[in-house]
Amino acid sequence: KQEVTQIPAALSVPEGENLVLNCSFTDSAIYNLQWFRQDPGKGLTSLLLIQSSQREQTSGRLNASLDKSSGRSTLYIAASQPGDSATYLCAVINAGNNRKLIWGLGTSLAVNP
Amino acid sequence: KAGVTQTPRYLIKTRGQQVTLSCSPISGHRSVSWYQQTPGQGLQFLFEYFSETQRNKGNFPGRFSGRQFSNSRSEMNVSTLELGDSALYLCASSPGFEGETQYFGPGTRLLVL
Repeated sequence: KQEVTQIPAALSVPEGENLVLNCSFTDSAIYNLQWFRQDPGKGLTSLLLIQSSQREQTSGRLNASLDKSSGRSTLYIAASQPGDSATYLCAVINAGNNRKLIWGLGTSLAVNP
Repeated sequence: KAGVTQTPRYLIKTRGQQVTLSCSPISGHRSVSWYQQTPGQGLQFLFEYFSETQRNKGNFPGRFSGRQFSNSRSEMNVSTLELGDSALYLCASSPGFEGETQYFGPGTRLLVL
């Protein structure tokens, strides 16, 4: 049974720092992995999607890497800003079951001005 | 394009009652998925509908059901509400093909008293 774990559960950093959020999964047979952002009172926003054949994806100050063999993904946020404060969630879709997202519990990030 | 909309945004019910939640997907999207989010369990997949047919199902009791209409709008119903059903219910839409990003609505927050 696929399990997704995110470390740390919470993180507080000063503005301007580069930071790394971690996601691990127990079954390496995944179809893809996605990183989402959730703001209070709002839905989820997809940040980056990495297909199983890819090693990383970049969007602006965000870079996500995927190491399928070790069951790990990292989300790198460069030059953090207070507007980055949110909960970041990692989710995988297992190979062979390509519609069901399996989620981590998220990392709650606070970027302090 | 307008985003995914969910109604109502907030709902208070008592144990034993039933509730119906509605989700309108992005225009042109044929797949709608439903998720339950609680502090302890995180996000869990309920079911997915595609072209009016349930295509995938999570591990929830039969009290949780759904349907999709010909215009792709979807409803989720929970019968005989229990205290543990208190949660944020999120729906997500996508075109319906393999592995593409899902777009989430703001959610319906259900409180069962």
